[in-house]
Amino acid sequence: QVQLQESGPGLVKPSQTLSLTCTVSGGSISSGSYYWSWIRQPAGKGLEWIGRIYTSGSTNYNPSLKSRVTISVDTSKNQFSLKLSSVTAADTAVYYCASQGIAVGDFDYWGQGTLVTVSS
Amino acid sequence: DIQMTQSPSSLSASVGDRVTITCRASQSISSYLNWYQQKPGKAPKLLIYAASSLQSGVPSRFSGSGSGTDFTLTISSLQPEDFATYYCQQSYSTPHSFGQGTKLEIK
Repeated sequence: QVQLQESGPGLVKPSQTLSLTCTVSGGSISSGSYYWSWIRQPAGKGLEWIGRIYTSGSTNYNPSLKSRVTISVDTSKNQFSLKLSSVTAADTAVYYCASQGIAVGDFDYWGQGTLVTVSS
Repeated sequence: DIQMTQSPSSLSASVGDRVTITCRASQSISSYLNWYQQKPGKAPKLLIYAASSLQSGVPSRFSGSGSGTDFTLTISSLQPEDFATYYCQQSYSTPHSFGQGTKLEIK
């Protein structure tokens, strides 16, 4: 069974870049069966899809964040990463990584989530 | 972008009740609709994919239906562990979007 684990700083200063990594275990990130996605959730609010990457390096981003987001993959480490630049308090949220099935697009495996707070 | 609208936003029900949550897409998404359950402090859990397929390990009291723009999630007989927030999500096109959530509370 695939397991995902987010890691990265829990506190980021305004205007700086948020950087998170998701480590995949129990399966190969290069299997070709999944997209690898980032999703976030501000406290008490709903879920927002940030973007995804395929093992080939092909990406799709949410247009609302596209100018600030970069998702990359490191197949040698079985990891994928999120960078979000020029953060503000509005980017404070729990950030989840998740696997997204190629066929249907469902998010079937999720990390536990990591809270990132943007504050000086 | 496709907008997903759930109703109701919150719902009070009792153990044993039959509950239905509705999700409407702003345009046709065929059957590219998935349902998730989220409990406080936890990641969402996939319940239903492709509108009506039950994810492995999910109790059969959960079911989904619909296609096009209108979808429903039904819980046939509420159990104590079902009180949570439920989200629909479209995977027809990017950006993949979620409904705003339906909070299911104990009456």
